Amino acid sequence: AQRVTQPEKLLSVFKGAPVELKCNYSYSGSPELFWYVQYSRQRLQLLLRHISRESIKGFTADLNKGETSFHLKKPFAQEEDSAMYYCALSAGSGSARQLTFGSGTQLTVLP
Amino acid sequence: ETGVTQSPTHLIKTRGQQVTLRCSSQSGHNTVSWYQQALGQGPQFIFQYYREEENGRGNFPPRFSGLQFPNYSSELNVNALELDDSALYLCASSSSGRASHSDTQYFGPGTRLTVL
Repeated sequence: AQRVTQPEKLLSVFKGAPVELKCNYSYSGSPELFWYVQYSRQRLQLLLRHISRESIKGFTADLNKGETSFHLKKPFAQEEDSAMYYCALSAGSGSARQLTFGSGTQLTVLP
Repeated sequence: ETGVTQSPTHLIKTRGQQVTLRCSSQSGHNTVSWYQQALGQGPQFIFQYYREEENGRGNFPPRFSGLQFPNYSSELNVNALELDDSALYLCASSSSGRASHSDTQYFGPGTRLTVL
């Protein structure tokens, strides 16, 4: 069975500081990893996915299969980055592709 | 193009009752997944529907059931409600349930269910 672990429930950084949100996973197959974000009073939305290898809002995440990690990073945090961040893994048997989420990290960027 | 919508936004039920939650998928999407999000936790996969058939199920008992309609909208039904069923129920739609890894799921705002 697959599992996603986000060890930090809360993370606070100052504006302009680097930020790293940790995500570790366990899955026997070839995973697809995502980061979802939920801003205050908004719905859950996709931030980025590892297969795209793109940077969204200055965030990047690299899949490290050796360490089974998919940490989210941003070199200079902004106040508008304050939100709940969920790491998720897409896996499934047969044709169903279900998302397995971590428990989330609440990021607060202080002025 | 309209996004995923869910109704109702809030619901209060008592233990033992039954509840039906509704979801309209995003235009052009044929797959709907349902998730349960307990307070302080990430969403947990309940099941997925693709072209009106259940296409995968998480670790939830049979009293959680669903339907998908020809227009790809969906219902989640929960029978014999228990206190632990209190949660935010999220619906997500995507463009195909059997294709590649690259199906992005788009989430609705959720229905907050409280069981007393």
